[in-house]
Amino acid sequence: NAGVTQTPKFQVLKTGQSMTLQCAQDMNHNSMYWYRQDPGMGLRLIYYSASEGTTDKGEVPNGYNVSRLNKREFSLRLESAAPSQTSVYFCASRRGQGGGEKLFFGSGTQLSVL
Amino acid sequence: QKEVEQDPGPLSVPEGAIVSLNCTYSNSAFQYFMWYRQYSRKGPELLMYTYSSGNKEDGRFTAQVDKSSKYISLFIRDSQPSDSATYLCAMTPNQAGTALIFGKGTTLSVSS
Repeated sequence: NAGVTQTPKFQVLKTGQSMTLQCAQDMNHNSMYWYRQDPGMGLRLIYYSASEGTTDKGEVPNGYNVSRLNKREFSLRLESAAPSQTSVYFCASRRGQGGGEKLFFGSGTQLSVL
Repeated sequence: QKEVEQDPGPLSVPEGAIVSLNCTYSNSAFQYFMWYRQYSRKGPELLMYTYSSGNKEDGRFTAQVDKSSKYISLFIRDSQPSDSATYLCAMTPNQAGTALIFGKGTTLSVSS
C-alpha cells in the first residue's frame, strides 16, 4: 500500500526556473494538502483541496499555484522559483475535513533554489 | 502571538527517562489535538489524538489536554533510542473546511 507518493524526492533549481511537484494518493481520500517545512518555522500550509474540483489558499500561498487534477492527484507549481522557496515540501491527504480525520503525509521533496 | 506555541528544544535525555513535551494555544475553538512523530528525512506520522479535554494512553505514550489552560502535553515513559525524533503538536476546530495548525516541533534525542 503506497499511501501518499511525492515526486521528485530532491530538486535543485536556479532562481527564476519553474517546476511542478507531483503528489498522488491511493487511499481514495477527498482532501489533499501541501505544506512546507523550514527550520524553526514548523509545518506551514501552502494550499489545500477539500475535495476534487476545489482549492483554497493556506497560510503561505504566495509564489505557488496548485492543481487538483483528479481525486488522486494534487500538484504544486512554482512558476518562478526564488531562494526563499528553498524548503522541504510535504503533500498530505485525509478522508474528509472533520477534525478527527487522520492526516497521512508523503516522504517529502527537498527543494533548493540557488 | 502564534496560534500554537511549542518549544523547539532540542531535548536530550538518557534511555529510560520520562519525557514531557508541551504545546500551548490561543484559539479556544480548537477541539481536536494531535501529536505527530517525524523521523529524520521522513514525513510526519500520527502518534496520538484526543478530542476535547482529558487523557489518552497508548502503551508508553500518554496525551493530556487541559482546555481551561489551553495546554496540551505528551508524556513518554521508559524512553528508548527509537523515540529520537521530532514531535509536532497539531490542532483544529471541529468544523469542516479547516486545516490542521501545527506547532514548530520539539526535537528529542534519547541516548543509550
